[in-house]
Amino acid sequence: EIVMTQSPATLSVSPGERATLSCRAGQSVSSSLAWYQQKPGQAPRLLIYGASTRATGIPDRFSGSESGTEFTLTISSLQSEDFAVYYCQQYKNWPLTFGGGTKVEIK
Amino acid sequence: QVQLVQSGAEVKKPGASVTVSCKASGYIFTAYGVTWLRQAPGQGPEWVGWITPYSGDTEYAQKLQDRITMTTDTSTNTVYMELRNLRSDDTAVYYCTRIMGQAASTPGYWGQGTLVTVSS
Repeated sequence: EIVMTQSPATLSVSPGERATLSCRAGQSVSSSLAWYQQKPGQAPRLLIYGASTRATGIPDRFSGSESGTEFTLTISSLQSEDFAVYYCQQYKNWPLTFGGGTKVEIK
Repeated sequence: QVQLVQSGAEVKKPGASVTVSCKASGYIFTAYGVTWLRQAPGQGPEWVGWITPYSGDTEYAQKLQDRITMTTDTSTNTVYMELRNLRSDDTAVYYCTRIMGQAASTPGYWGQGTLVTVSS
């Protein structure tokens, strides 16, 4: 299975600041990479698919990029509702695999 | 609108079985497969398996293959996941999901989750 590694585990950011989250795939996943946001007690919500395409209704402050097996989620100006856990996930091959998550917390 | 509604929380003893249901609405049920994921406390999601209501074909996580069965009922648009011989490390929230569409073949619609607790 494809191992997904996220960093950092925790990111402390002030509201209005930029957040940059990283994800590395253990082998090529092409652009079959998604980002999810999860808040306590809720199911994950799809933010980005195809490494850089925002899902329906996702604000444009969220953006994704890729460079080989390295992927980045950028939140340009953090809003209060953005403090949550973020997961990357590959869907190139089964089993679908997720990274360990990055918790974005208020600084 | 697409909705996936799951059955309620379960508490089971080790060695027992559990069945979680997922009722779909808002789309043509046989047009999309359903993927099951689970999330243990404090962990990221883990792929459990997949079933297509069109043919009943399934794919299961290798570690669960001998204990899991997924089925569908096209008369009620419901998918079922049965997990047998439960262990404490099966304790998790179980989610049924559907992809957004062919351009985004990753889980985009999620059920509300079903907490399965395995405890003696």
